[in-house]
Amino acid sequence: SQTIHQWPATLVQPVGSPLSLECTVEGTSNPNLYWYRQAAGRGLQLLFYSVGIGQISSEVPQNLSASRPQDRQFILSSKKLLLSDSGFYLCAWSGHGGRETQYFGPGTRLLVL
Amino acid sequence: GQQLNQSPQSMFIQEGEDVSMNCTSSSIFNTWLWYKQDPGEGPVLLIALYKAGELTSNGRLTAQFGITRKDSFLNISASIPSDVGIYFCAGRYSGAGSYQLTFGKGTKLSVIP
Repeated sequence: SQTIHQWPATLVQPVGSPLSLECTVEGTSNPNLYWYRQAAGRGLQLLFYSVGIGQISSEVPQNLSASRPQDRQFILSSKKLLLSDSGFYLCAWSGHGGRETQYFGPGTRLLVL
Repeated sequence: GQQLNQSPQSMFIQEGEDVSMNCTSSSIFNTWLWYKQDPGEGPVLLIALYKAGELTSNGRLTAQFGITRKDSFLNISASIPSDVGIYFCAGRYSGAGSYQLTFGKGTKLSVIP
């Protein structure tokens, strides 16, 4: 069965510091991968998605970036965090078929101070 | 772009009562999904719907894909305390190259024992 991991679970970072959040998927190959941000426990905002290694699509302009160095690894980064980057970051995966249900990871809680 | 209106935003109900929530879209969707999110965790898929008019159950949960393809409903029968959480609807339009889900803003359910 498929499993999706996110690391770390919680992170407290000062404004202006860099960020690296990691997402890995097990039990499937060539998944679509997604990064979402959720503010205040409501509403999921799609940040990036990837249909393959090295292929990243950005949905909203921001100071975040994403990379996919391996088939089942998706990384969310920032060079300099802003206060407004605080939130709950969720990674998800789906298959490439017509019924593309997305399955979510456990999330990373980021607090920028 | 596509928009989803999910209602109600929140509900307080007595244990044992039935619950009903719905989502309406400004566009036609080919897939409707319902997720539940517990505090501090990622959303978990409850029910997936792929055909207009489809009615699917998962235990005490029943969801329907509206005939117009612009709405979906989720019902929970005989609510219990562990039903507490935020319920999200999500829809997908199967346009060429479209992998994205559009999410509602969630219905926060509180169950009073």
